[in-house]
Amino acid sequence: EAQVTQNPRYLITVTGKKLTVTCSQNMNHEYMSWYRQDPGLGLRQIYYSMNVEVTDKGDVPEGYKVSRKEKRNFPLILESPSPNQTSLYFCASSSTPGQGVETQYFGPGTRLLVL
Amino acid sequence: GNSVTQMEGPVTLSEEAFLTINCTYTATGYPSLFWYVQYPGEGLQLLLKATKADDKGSNKGFEATYRKETTSFHLEKGSVQVSDSAVYFCALSYSGNTPLVFGKGTRLSVIA
Repeated sequence: EAQVTQNPRYLITVTGKKLTVTCSQNMNHEYMSWYRQDPGLGLRQIYYSMNVEVTDKGDVPEGYKVSRKEKRNFPLILESPSPNQTSLYFCASSSTPGQGVETQYFGPGTRLLVL
Repeated sequence: GNSVTQMEGPVTLSEEAFLTINCTYTATGYPSLFWYVQYPGEGLQLLLKATKADDKGSNKGFEATYRKETTSFHLEKGSVQVSDSAVYFCALSYSGNTPLVFGKGTRLSVIA
């Protein structure tokens, strides 16, 4: 089954304690992306990656890091989490452009609470 | 810059009512337009899309028409069901895997 998986699904942590949220896709997609979803703000892009070893900042990259060492994985790293990073996080992936705009596939989300 | 504006929610309808969720966009050129749906506790799923002016996207009884002259992509369904209760996001993008730009989402609740 084609899917995007994220782990963990729920996480409670404390300020300053480094954490990583993993994202993996089994569709051989080149493009992967991280979004955060906050009430009243919709989804905002954090980082994206066009291919292995190629990453770029989205709209709200501050406080986050990513890496793309393998095509299937795109972890999101919070080196020193703060309460304003409490949010619902989504990973997404899509293939390289073909005849038109490719559909993005979303993971189930990771709900993070930073105390 | 590019942006998407959706009608504020929540929207509450009775089963079998007609649904319209308004979406307008600001963008240069000719973006592709999307509606995504997020059911409770789940990630986003593509509902429908349209890639050029006057295209109509449709799926599961929902439809939306790409209107270049009014920069709109309103979502409609003739008869909603309780199972349609979800948050709906309008979005735009350009070809080349450029980032999706989302609206803030509209929560729909359908009551029996």
